[in-house]
Amino acid sequence: DVQLQESGPGLVKPSQSLSLTCTVTGYSITSDYAWNWIRQFPGNKLEWMGYISYSGSTSYNPSLKSRISITRDTSKNQFFLQLNSVTTEDTATYYCARGLRLFDYWGQGTTLTVSS
Amino acid sequence: ENVLTQSPAIMSASLGEKVTMSCRASSSVNYMYWYQQKSDASPKLWIYYTSNLAPGVPARFSGSGSGNSYSLTISSMEGEDAATYYCQQFTSSPSTFGSGTKLEIK
Repeated sequence: DVQLQESGPGLVKPSQSLSLTCTVTGYSITSDYAWNWIRQFPGNKLEWMGYISYSGSTSYNPSLKSRISITRDTSKNQFFLQLNSVTTEDTATYYCARGLRLFDYWGQGTTLTVSS
Repeated sequence: ENVLTQSPAIMSASLGEKVTMSCRASSSVNYMYWYQQKSDASPKLWIYYTSNLAPGVPARFSGSGSGNSYSLTISSMEGEDAATYYCQQFTSSPSTFGSGTKLEIK
């Protein structure tokens, strides 16, 4: 069964960078699909942030393009989110999810708070 | 970006009642996807390619639409259907989600 699990620091200070990890089990991230980061803000708005494909190519939401990087470690079947220069507006639950057009498997989410 | 507008934002239905919710796109899309989210849980893919039910989704659910206008229908409301439903498109990048329709039991 495909499972995704996010992990991260929980709390980040403004202006710092956040780094999150998504560990995938039950499917190789190099086999197929795109591997996405999606966040949900307080108030429940969902925002697609970007993906890294099975081949290693990336695509980002233009609203984040200058701050975001998605990378991977194929040996550990993990992919990562880095978001630079965070503000309180980046406070959200961050999900990793599988899919290119639709998102068929999601992690349980990790809550990130940006606060000094 | 393609803005998805869902209506109504909140609705309530009695058990056994037919339910219909709408998702309108600012630009035409090829397909619409729907997700169900319950409190403190991740969204679940519910309907894909506009009208196909994801595995495990009860047959009382259906999806339809084309172009800019899509809908999700429940033929007969059951208690377990109380949740928030989001539409999503990826015809054009960036992928976008609607703001959700919260369905409650009356």
